[in-house]
Amino acid sequence: QKEVEQDPGPLSVPEGAIVSLNCTYSNSAFQYFMWYRQYSRKGPELLMYTYSSGNKEDGRFTAQVDKSSKYISLFIRDSQPSDSATYLCAMSGHGQNFVFGPGTRLSVLP
Amino acid sequence: EAGVVQSPRYKIIEKKQPVAFWCNPISGHNTLYWYLQNLGQGPELLIRYENEEAVDDSQLPKDRFSAERLKGVDSTLKIQPAELGDSAVYLCASSWGLALAGEDTQYFGPGTRLTVL
Repeated sequence: QKEVEQDPGPLSVPEGAIVSLNCTYSNSAFQYFMWYRQYSRKGPELLMYTYSSGNKEDGRFTAQVDKSSKYISLFIRDSQPSDSATYLCAMSGHGQNFVFGPGTRLSVLP
Repeated sequence: EAGVVQSPRYKIIEKKQPVAFWCNPISGHNTLYWYLQNLGQGPELLIRYENEEAVDDSQLPKDRFSAERLKGVDSTLKIQPAELGDSAVYLCASSWGLALAGEDTQYFGPGTRLTVL
């Protein structure tokens, strides 16, 4: 079992839909959780950063962390074609390097 | 502010040839990372530098890979000799470098796409 699991997709949704992206993990020491967006042939760019459990909102994006279930989510409201990309979750513990999930490929259809 | 710069963006070589990748981090960032990303996978850490010191190179295949970060700024990652399985995207990232790595936000460059024939 990999440390971080993520459904690779592809996930196709119509424009305006609410998108839910998820990751599960096995290492209970993870405290820091990030979501990156990666467009084709580009490097990952940071979207959201969350420490420990709880929710964090930034515009159309909401990140949720449930440490008891070892489960994190990224919600995208009013999805746009420009949101079409691969979404990577990443997580780490104190003083540890980040471990990335394999990414979920999202397509938002106009 | 300029982001992380990497060159070349693409490289095609024949197996057994050497290849080198260059990274210039964001100005002022003390920590520099080299990652390998295979198709359909997330980045995997190869080496992490704090200034000029390699503090984590446990995942770097040292028989063929080497890296350096002279003067604690730019970095070079080298493969010699390259193998077919080395075809991947090599990403460089940098961060300010805090005492606890988990709190430190990483910024990625565009990557170098290597194809070994």
